[in-house]
Amino acid sequence: QKEVEQNSGPLSVPEGAIASLNCTYSDRGSQSFFWYRQYSGKSPELIMFIYSNGDKEDGRFTAQLNKASQYVSLLIRDSQPSDSATYLCAVNKGGGFKTIFGAGTRLFVKA
Amino acid sequence: NAGVTQTPKFQVLKTGQSMTLQCAQDMNHNSMYWYRQDPGMGLRLIYYSASEGTTDKGEVPNGYNVSRLNKREFSLRLESAAPSQTSVYFCASSDTAVISNQPQHFGDGTRLSIL
Repeated sequence: QKEVEQNSGPLSVPEGAIASLNCTYSDRGSQSFFWYRQYSGKSPELIMFIYSNGDKEDGRFTAQLNKASQYVSLLIRDSQPSDSATYLCAVNKGGGFKTIFGAGTRLFVKA
Repeated sequence: NAGVTQTPKFQVLKTGQSMTLQCAQDMNHNSMYWYRQDPGMGLRLIYYSASEGTTDKGEVPNGYNVSRLNKREFSLRLESAAPSQTSVYFCASSDTAVISNQPQHFGDGTRLSIL
C-alpha cells in the first residue's frame, strides 16, 4: 500500500463545474496536509494546506480533512480551463521534515 | 525576488560521469530539500537539510550526496551517474523556524538525462 494514494485520472469536468480531488494516506500520525498544483513541464506550486479536521476555504478552493478516515480532498468550484493541471497531495509524517507526495491526479477542464 | 533557483535547467550526462546540481534560495528559509520526479511516481525525497549544518537521507538517497554549503545553498551530487538517475530534479525550501511541517517552495527543476 502506498503511503499517499491518489487516483491518477484524468478527471474531466466541464467549465463551471465542481472538481473533486481525493487523497488517502496510511500514517495515522500525519499532521499536515498540502495540495500542490503542477502544470506540465513546471514545478509544483502550493494551493492549500490544512492541519485540522474539517473544511478550509480559500477563494474557489476548499480543502477537506477527515483524520478518522485518513482522507483529504480538494474541491475546485467554478472550474476554469486554466485549472487543468496535475494536483499533488502531500502529507507530512508526524510533524517531522519528511513530506510524502502522492503520484498526482490529472485534471482536465473542458471549455 | 527569485525564490528558489536551480542550475542547470537541462543536462545530459554519460554513464559514469559525475555532476553537481546547484540550488539557492533567497527567502531565508531554514530547511531545504531535493526531490526527483519520475513519470507516474510523484515526487520522491532524496535528501533534506532541516537547518544549516545538518543533512539527512530521504526515501531514495542511494547514488547521491548532498552539501548544505550555507543557509542559502544546498547542492546535490551524482558521483557516478547511472541511467536509472534520469529524472527531473526539484529543489525546495521551507520556513521551519517555528514548526517543521511548513509548505515548501520549489525551484523550476533540472531535467537530467543519463545515456
